[in-house]
Amino acid sequence: DTAVSQTPKYLVTQMGNDKSIKCEQNLGHDTMYWYKQDSKKFLKIMFSYNNKELIINETVPNRFSPKSPDKAHLNLHINSLELGDSAVYFCASSQGGLGTYNEQFFGPGTRLTVL
Amino acid sequence: AQKITQTQPGMFVQEKEAVTLDCTYDTSDPSYGLFWYKQPSSGEMIFLIYQGSYDQQNATEGRYSLNFQKARKSANLVISASQLGDSAMYFCAMREPSNTGNQFYFGTGTSLTVIP
Repeated sequence: DTAVSQTPKYLVTQMGNDKSIKCEQNLGHDTMYWYKQDSKKFLKIMFSYNNKELIINETVPNRFSPKSPDKAHLNLHINSLELGDSAVYFCASSQGGLGTYNEQFFGPGTRLTVL
Repeated sequence: AQKITQTQPGMFVQEKEAVTLDCTYDTSDPSYGLFWYKQPSSGEMIFLIYQGSYDQQNATEGRYSLNFQKARKSANLVISASQLGDSAMYFCAMREPSNTGNQFYFGTGTSLTVIP
């Protein structure tokens, strides 16, 4: 009955590899997000995806690309992984467009370690 | 300018005492929402409480209440009767409308430690 799920929970990989993190929500929400949380616990928005419209945080390197096969899924693909990509990545979803203020529901996070 | 400011990197509170976690925000939009999330050491993000900009009364959820002072642009979280399980990181967040929907902004967090 998990509302927002992410796989894998842990990901350890070598520098230079390409990896993907999957996210699925079963809440019927229309907006999904990816966040990066660094070792100092700072949460940084990476992408939001609403009705097939992608909003990109301009500071995110283009090695990161979100892919949404349908409304319930927003996967994160990372090319040419670097040491600085090591972090916890959270997927989240929320309902509503302008004028609505429902909270975001977060997935459990994926801890990525780049060696 | 920072959209959300949390000035307390770490806080300590005695068990059963109340504690206030500070949050100030910056927006020029009259319509916005304010949220608090808890992140325990296990890592998940847990929604605690919500306050809308037009809400007349302060939000309350069990032992959590939000001290909303609109003119001062502050949305402090008050936890009453602290418990050991309240030890966690706490994030203040704001949602404001944009042309493409809603944007969320998070503060840097406050680490709360409850002392037995």
